[in-house]
Amino acid sequence: GAVVSQHPSRVICKSGTSVKIECRSLDFQATTMFWYRQFPKKSLMLMATSNEGSKATYEQGVEKDKFLINHASLTLSTLTVTSAHPEDSSFYICSASHPYGYTFGSGTRLTVV
Amino acid sequence: GDSVTQMEGPVTLSEEAFLTINCTYTATGYPSLFWYVQYPGEGLQLLLKATKADDKGSNKGFEATYRKETTSFHLEKGSVQVSDSAVYFCALSDSWKGNEKLTFGTGTRLTIIP
Repeated sequence: GAVVSQHPSRVICKSGTSVKIECRSLDFQATTMFWYRQFPKKSLMLMATSNEGSKATYEQGVEKDKFLINHASLTLSTLTVTSAHPEDSSFYICSASHPYGYTFGSGTRLTVV
Repeated sequence: GDSVTQMEGPVTLSEEAFLTINCTYTATGYPSLFWYVQYPGEGLQLLLKATKADDKGSNKGFEATYRKETTSFHLEKGSVQVSDSAVYFCALSDSWKGNEKLTFGTGTRLTIIP
C-alpha cells in the first residue's frame, strides 16, 4: 500500500519550453505532497509543500512563478517548470504524506538543452 | 532551523564488513528521525525510523538508535552485502505522520565490493 507514481521518469526539453511532472498517489488520498530537487552529489532540497485545494507554500529562494505547483485533487499534484533553462536540469522527486509517514515517487530526471 | 549533518562519502567496503554511517542533527523540540535509501535509478525508500529518544529502528539488518543526549542517529549493519550498495540519507521531521516536511542530510554513497 501507499504507492506513489511519478511521471515522466525522464524528460528532455528545449530551453524556453515548459515541462509538467505528475505525482499521483495510487491507493490513498494525499492531502499534502512535497516537491524536492536533488542536486548532483548533494542532498534533497525541499522546493514547496502543496496542500490539496490551496496554494502551495514555497521555500525561500524558490521562484513560485517558475515552478508552478497544482494540487487540484487528493491524488494528484503537478509541478510545471516554466520557461526551462539548462540550470533547471536536475532530479525532481515528489513525496506524498499519509497516516503512516511519507512515500516518495521514483523521481524525474529533467534535462534542458 | 533544523539541520542534519551526515558522514560524507563515498564509502567503499568489502562484503560482510561492518558498516557505520554517522548522522547528527540539530532541531528544536523532539523530532522524528529517519534513514532513507536510494538505489540506483530509483526514488527514496524508507529504511527505518525512530520517533522518540532511545527508540531503535531496524530493517533488513540495519539499525539506528535515537540518541537525544548526543543528538545522533547513526546507521549500522553488522555484515553488508553487495545489494546494499546505494545512497543513504539521514533525515528528520517534526512529525512521523507525514504531514511535516523532511530535512535531509547530504547523503552517503555506499559501495560494497564482492
